[in-house]
Amino acid sequence: AQTVTQSQPEMSVQEAETVTLSCTYDTSESDYYLFWYKQPPSRQMILVIRQEAYKQQNATENRFSVNFQKAAKSFSLKISDSQLGDAAMYFCAYRSARETSGSRLTFGEGTQLTVNP
Amino acid sequence: GAVVSQHPSRVICKSGTSVKIECRSLDFQATTMFWYRQFPKQSLMLMATSNEGSKATYEQGVEKDKFLINHASLTLSTLTVTSAHPEDSSFYICSAGFYGYTFGSGTRLTVV
Repeated sequence: AQTVTQSQPEMSVQEAETVTLSCTYDTSESDYYLFWYKQPPSRQMILVIRQEAYKQQNATENRFSVNFQKAAKSFSLKISDSQLGDAAMYFCAYRSARETSGSRLTFGEGTQLTVNP
Repeated sequence: GAVVSQHPSRVICKSGTSVKIECRSLDFQATTMFWYRQFPKQSLMLMATSNEGSKATYEQGVEKDKFLINHASLTLSTLTVTSAHPEDSSFYICSAGFYGYTFGSGTRLTVV
């Protein structure tokens, strides 16, 4: 079974600074997807960024980028130029690539990010 | 993009009654939907996988008779909490989609 670990229960960052959230996972599969989801106080889960395991290039979405190290099974999220609206719980998640719509997501425990003005 | 609508957003019910939560895929057909439960400041816990036209697959420890799931069409899955008790009070979320799943806005259930 796959597992996802987020070792930082809480992180804080000053507005406009950069912060990196850590995530490691364990799997025996070679083809999978990794995600970072954001859950603000409204509790709506929002997809931040996605990485396909077969792609060597790290995914980037505006101020959000990942450092995907497949051999090390590490998938960290970097948030640049942090904004107050980035404050949220962030979840790292894993999904097998065996099916396009039937494979479950395995979530990490979450990291609560605080952005200080 | 894929949109998932979940209703109601909040519900308060009396102990012993049943509550139905709906999850709809608005712009795509979802053969599979997922139901999660989340306690405050905790991660999402998968309760069951809902499959259109067949029985749901429940995770270990989830009571099938308490949490009834019906996925009668390609755009609608429902979760019914039967004979609800205060310990069933929680935040319930559904999701569906492709590759990166889309989540409903969640339902906060309070049983009094």
